[in-house]
Amino acid sequence: AQTVTQSQPEMSVQEAETVTLSCTYDTSESDYYLFWYKQPPSRQMILVIRQEAYKQQNATENRFSVNFQKAAKSFSLKISDSQLGDAAMYFCAYRSLNTGNQFYFGTGTSLTVIP
Amino acid sequence: DVKVTQSSRYLVKRTGEKVFLECVQDMDHENMFWYRQDPGLGLRLIYFSYDVKMKEKGDIPEGYSVSREKKERFSLILESASTNQTSMYLCASSLLWGAVAFFGQGTRLTVV
Repeated sequence: AQTVTQSQPEMSVQEAETVTLSCTYDTSESDYYLFWYKQPPSRQMILVIRQEAYKQQNATENRFSVNFQKAAKSFSLKISDSQLGDAAMYFCAYRSLNTGNQFYFGTGTSLTVIP
Repeated sequence: DVKVTQSSRYLVKRTGEKVFLECVQDMDHENMFWYRQDPGLGLRLIYFSYDVKMKEKGDIPEGYSVSREKKERFSLILESASTNQTSMYLCASSLLWGAVAFFGQGTRLTVV
């Protein structure tokens, strides 16, 4: 089974500053999807951003962007101009396109935004 | 918008009770998933289903079963609830291949 590692249990950032959340994964597959999900205190998991492994270009969604390094199996999330509403638990996830079609999640990073 | 609805946000049950957690999605998704979320452990897959009446075990199926009689509904069953099943349970659904998973709001289950 694939494993997803988030090595930062907690992070903090000043409002309006930039923060980067780390994620690494282990796989022998060449085609897959990677995701960042956000879980605010309301508990509703929300998709932040998605990256297809076959695309070299890093995905961006407004203030959120990723640094996808396929060879290094690294998928970090950069949040620019941090806002109070960005405070949440962030989960990195991997989805295989092959057997199982499952999602594999990391253990999460709790992000605090300091006013 | 896709909507995934879990029947309860909070549930308190007694040890030994049979517990049903219901999940309904409104977007005709083939895949449905049940996860358990515990602090420091992330989301762990209990069971998933890729079609009606089809089910596959995830990483932690022991003590759980599932039912999918209709495409839109996926039920998680705790046959005999135990205190170590106190947790947050998340349901999700997605299209069959490569697509985003949409989540319900979670059920926080306490077994006393």
